[in-house]
Amino acid sequence: GESVGLHLPTLSVQEGDNSIINCAYSNSASDYFIWYKQESGKGPQFIIDIRSNMDKRQGQRVTVLLNKTVKHLSLQIAATQPGDSAVYFCAENPNTGGFKTIFGAGTRLFVKA
Amino acid sequence: DTAVSQTPKYLVTQMGNDKSIKCEQNLGHDTMYWYKQDSKKFLKIMFSYNNKELIINETVPNRFSPKSPDKAHLNLHINSLELGDSAVYFCASSQEIPGRGEQYFGPGTRLTVT
Repeated sequence: GESVGLHLPTLSVQEGDNSIINCAYSNSASDYFIWYKQESGKGPQFIIDIRSNMDKRQGQRVTVLLNKTVKHLSLQIAATQPGDSAVYFCAENPNTGGFKTIFGAGTRLFVKA
Repeated sequence: DTAVSQTPKYLVTQMGNDKSIKCEQNLGHDTMYWYKQDSKKFLKIMFSYNNKELIINETVPNRFSPKSPDKAHLNLHINSLELGDSAVYFCASSQEIPGRGEQYFGPGTRLTVT
């Protein structure tokens, strides 16, 4: 079936440490993946994306890793800051079934000062 | 300079009423979406329009009817509201075809049905 899930619903890290948020997906037909950040009271905001022909993609302080063999996606945030506190969603786009983005359940990241 | 805007931000109403939520994007995007986010933060797509045409219609009760008068607007009308409709509804838009590229989300409309 279609599902995008997260191993850790809540993650607490110390300011300055690196954060790793994990995500598992089940649809082998998914070929495009996105991470979104949702701050309290706001809509989700795009962080970074990756296509299935890549294993790794880096942005500013963020890195997404894709392991297609085990259908696993991770978001790494370097030097986590208080402003990184939010709910993080991974999302997948299967290349079948008509154009819909499937969101995972979300992981809440707490950054301790 | 709001990219995707929704009105109202909060909506409190009684069961059985009919209500509408409006969405506008000034990004020039061709595709717009409606998502529902429940109390557990689960985000699920409801509808998607591309160039004013409905292309995604998930298993949503027919009490929900989207309308796109033009590419920049996608409104959501809900008839006979039920308690289970209480949620945050997000509008979004994207430049690329649905399922590809970054989606820009509005601030959400928190609907409370009493």
